Amino acid sequence: EPEVTQTPSHQVTQMGQEVILRCVPISNHLYFYWYRQILGQKVEFLVSFYNNEISEKSEIFDDQFSVERPDGSNFTLKIRSTKLEDSAMYFCASTQDRDHEQYFGPGTRLTVT
Amino acid sequence: AQSVTQLGSHVSVSEGALVLLRCNYSSSVPPYLFWYVQYPNQGLQLLLKYTSAATLVKGINGFEAEFKKSETSFHLTKPSAHMSDAAEYFCAVKRGQAGTALIFGKGTTLSVSS
Repeated sequence: EPEVTQTPSHQVTQMGQEVILRCVPISNHLYFYWYRQILGQKVEFLVSFYNNEISEKSEIFDDQFSVERPDGSNFTLKIRSTKLEDSAMYFCASTQDRDHEQYFGPGTRLTVT
Repeated sequence: AQSVTQLGSHVSVSEGALVLLRCNYSSSVPPYLFWYVQYPNQGLQLLLKYTSAATLVKGINGFEAEFKKSETSFHLTKPSAHMSDAAEYFCAVKRGQAGTALIFGKGTTLSVSS
């Protein structure tokens, strides 16, 4: 069964460093998403991506964040200058079209020290 | 704006007992509602979804949920709990008619004892 994959599973970085989280969505899906879950809190939407551009973003997704689909398979989230409060589990998701369910990857745990 | 509220951050049941996880929603448009489950160290897996068809929705692993517009609720139930049902459960609503992103509740941890 096709699945969304994410790498790395755990990333530790120092405050102020740039990090790139990687995702490989399901191959025939067209909509891609990043969510995050701070420990003990709810899963929060960050950004959605369709047709090579951002289609929606939340207030969390500020200028420190960017997303890219550099090739036909990867979907990345970049945080330019990490802060302590960026520590969270980051989930990638994808869906075939707007009315189908989203399939989630296993997540990348980001720890900023 | 759309939102969901999950009542009870932790629910404990005995194996074989009824499972009831509560979710109330707020939506300015007809909602699309979802229940996801998260097992330890895994991603979110869809249990079931409501998209304005039948109000009683059946999902995987014996779970079902009933959409009640008058109560703005979408509670998740299972007649008989199994040990393997222990996990975190999230209710979610689609962000808006024009959007596709999901707004999640805080989650409910289900514990099942033998």
